[in-house]
Order: sequence, then C-alpha cells, then structure tokens
Amino acid sequence: AQSVTQPDIHITVSEGASLELRCNYSYGATPYLFWYVQSPGQGLQLLLKYFSGDTLVQGIKGFEAEFKRSQSSFNLRKPSVHWSDAAEYFCAVGFIRDTGRRALTFGSGTRLQVQP
Amino acid sequence: EPEVTQTPSHQVTQMGQEVILRCVPISNHLYFYWYRQILGQKVEFLVSFYNNEISEKSEIFDDQFSVERPDGSNFTLKIRSTKLEDSAMYFCASSDQGATPSMNTEAFFGQGTRLTVV
Repeated sequence: AQSVTQPDIHITVSEGASLELRCNYSYGATPYLFWYVQSPGQGLQLLLKYFSGDTLVQGIKGFEAEFKRSQSSFNLRKPSVHWSDAAEYFCAVGFIRDTGRRALTFGSGTRLQVQP
Repeated sequence: EPEVTQTPSHQVTQMGQEVILRCVPISNHLYFYWYRQILGQKVEFLVSFYNNEISEKSEIFDDQFSVERPDGSNFTLKIRSTKLEDSAMYFCASSDQGATPSMNTEAFFGQGTRLTVV
C-alpha cells in the first residue's frame, strides 16, 4: 500500500533563511508526487508536481522539489523564506487503485512558522 | 482562473442533524472528489464521483454519507446524522480526467468547509 511520511510536524525558520521540508513515500510503482500548501483559512493550493523527466521540479512562489528515487524522497526547498510562506505544507502521492481509478494519499503535513 | 468553490465556509450543527456541504467544481471537469481533514491530522480521501455515480469510496464513507450532483454545476456531500467526530475541514476537488484515468492531470481543490458538530 502507498503511504507518505512527513517526519517534521512543525518547523520554524527565520525570514530570509533557506527551507527544506522532508517527504518520504512508499509506493511500488512509479510515483506521481505533489506538494500542496494550505494557508490559514484557505484551501489546498498546488505548489508543484512530479510525473517524470527532470527530477528537480520548479513550482510557484519560488519553491522547488527534488525527486530522489533511491531515497524514496521528494523534499521541498526554498532558498529564502518570506513571512507569507507561513502555512501548512502537504506532500501527496498519486496512485492508481486496483480498480484503475486514481486517488491521492496525503502526508500528515508540516506546519511552517516564519520568524521575523 | 477557474476555481472550485465551496459553501458555506463554516457550518456549525448539532449532533444528530443533517448537513449538506456544497461544491461547484470547475465547469469542464468530469471527476469530483471529497476529502476531509480532522484538525491536526492528515487529509483523507472520502469519495470520488464520475458519470453520476460513485467510482471509489474509502472506509470512512459509510452509510451516513452520500454525494449527489443535483444539477449540472453543483456537487454535494450530505451527512445524514452528524456525530461529534465528523467535525473536520471538508475539501471538494475536481479534475478533467478523460475516460482513461491518467496521473498527468491535476486535481483542483476548493477552500474547504469547516464543519463543527456540537
């Protein structure tokens, strides 16, 4: 069965510092990987996705993520964090069920706080 | 930019009451989903809907839950007799998958409805 692990429940960084949010997945086939952000009171917004090709993917708001098959990881990075980046971040793996239908499995999320 | 919209943004209901959460998916999308997020926990899949019928549902989606597409634009989630543990953020999503599901499509999420059962 597929699963997603985000080992860090809560991270605090200073504004301007670099950021890396960890995500590890378990899935027997080629994974389809996503990072979503949820700002307070808002819905889930897609930051970036990986389907195939270049393992370093660029997303919105200056975020990037690198797919590492050997480590089953898809970590999210940003070189310089802004106060507006404070939010909850969810990693998700897309998979095809036995019935052929797709679904997303989400990690438990990492809450990012940004200190001035 | 097209978006998925959900109403209301916050609903408070008494235990045992019926609630209907409403969603307007993106107009040309074919697949619709409900997810929920209990406070402090992960986002969980509830149900997917295609061609006017449920295509997948999770173990969470028991007989208390139902979904409907009453017209060409709305997609609703009904909880018949709410329990305290139904308190959560409920997200609607839609995607434009074709007849053969592909992962090269993106699910767009609404802003969520926060349901509080008291």
